Amino acid sequence: GQNIDQPTEMTATEGAIVQINCTYQTSGFNGLFWYQQHAGEAPTFLSYNVLDGLEEKGRFSSFLSRSKGYSYLLLKELQMKDSASYLCAVDRGKFQFGAGTQVVVTP
Amino acid sequence: DAGVIQSPRHEVTEMGQEVTLRCKPISGHNSLFWYRQTMMRGLELLIYFNNNVPIDDSGMPEDRFSAKMPNASFSTLKIQPSEPRDSAVYFCATQTGNSPLHFGNGTRLTVT
Repeated sequence: GQNIDQPTEMTATEGAIVQINCTYQTSGFNGLFWYQQHAGEAPTFLSYNVLDGLEEKGRFSSFLSRSKGYSYLLLKELQMKDSASYLCAVDRGKFQFGAGTQVVVTP
Repeated sequence: DAGVIQSPRHEVTEMGQEVTLRCKPISGHNSLFWYRQTMMRGLELLIYFNNNVPIDDSGMPEDRFSAKMPNASFSTLKIQPSEPRDSAVYFCATQTGNSPLHFGNGTRLTVT
């Protein structure tokens, strides 16, 4: 939605690494958030980038390039519980979400 | 902190009936957002408030939808009359400053 693009689905095996890309229109940009949403539950906050570069939080890292309108979320040492939808959200005063990337972790 | 509280958790109603969804924000959060989520359209922003004032309601689908925030502790989203295509999960989310959005558990609405 609102020109925030991310892949629909990604599949990876337990223990592997997956990178979820997000591109967005740069106008009015204040910051970028990543959320995780398990089926039937509310989205929960994972990470926040306002400046260029990499933010690391345990197994999850997020990268931002403001000039390119590009971010990625990196999930390392995948676990079965990481199977969920991952939502990229842009803060333009109002928070606008991408359609989400469904990550399927297989044994 | 009890988090964002939404009620009811589930609502099943017949077409044409009025539906009222409720949200209590986290204390101290001065921005409140109403979203609707469906498989087809994802998470859509309907309306948001800053300091109880509606700032942008461009996402409200039509006049059947209305939202109010009479004070800093309470907001409602009303659909009158409801239609089957309004069936979705409705989320309320709040935040303050540069903090992330905090979501309530949502209301799953089914209109038959």
